[in-house]
Amino acid sequence: EAGVAQSPRYKIIEKRQSVAFWCNPISGHATLYWYQQILGQGPKLLIQFQNNGVVDDSQLPKDRFSAERLKGVDSTLKIQPAKLEDSAVYLCASSPGEPSSYEQYFGPGTRLTVT
Amino acid sequence: AQSVTQLGSHVSVSEGALVLLRCNYSSSVPPYLFWYVQYPNQGLQLLLKYTTGATLVKGINGFEAEFKKSETSFHLTKPSAHMSDAAEYFCAVSEGSNFGSGTRLSIRP
Repeated sequence: EAGVAQSPRYKIIEKRQSVAFWCNPISGHATLYWYQQILGQGPKLLIQFQNNGVVDDSQLPKDRFSAERLKGVDSTLKIQPAKLEDSAVYLCASSPGEPSSYEQYFGPGTRLTVT
Repeated sequence: AQSVTQLGSHVSVSEGALVLLRCNYSSSVPPYLFWYVQYPNQGLQLLLKYTTGATLVKGINGFEAEFKKSETSFHLTKPSAHMSDAAEYFCAVSEGSNFGSGTRLSIRP
């Protein structure tokens, strides 16, 4: 079974530029998560999708971050404009269903550096 | 809201020694608890999880954890450390997908 795919793996941009990350979850997984992991910290949930609907986006900085999951499969996370403090690894994860007992399967992440 | 606290940002043990990584949780309802491992430049991988039933949970790579409701703890242990266990370990609780700040495990030869 193919794992969670993310691209790009690395991205360097200047502040005030925009950037987009792409995630392809495991086939059949209904739930998709985006996390921000700052160096030395644990992952922080940005947004959770159930199929193509948003379940939780309470920690998403909506003035600059946006995310969508069209057709309930792939997802993109966008930052516009980027700030220096957005430098982090952005992790995508998926799980089989909504019940919170399900474990999450993580992609390798996208390392973003904002200069 | 549920949350977890990991005690000790860095733990160092000798190869062959006991590994103990601490995690305490806060929850007003029975939690679902997870331990994940992260190797350098990789995503997180599930080690084990507690949902219901048996409080001693066995995971991959010889790790296990015990859910203790009276102590609100879910500590991760391994009887004998191996060099390949060196990684970052995260405790997580299901609600809100809340992760702890992580514990970096180093293994001394």
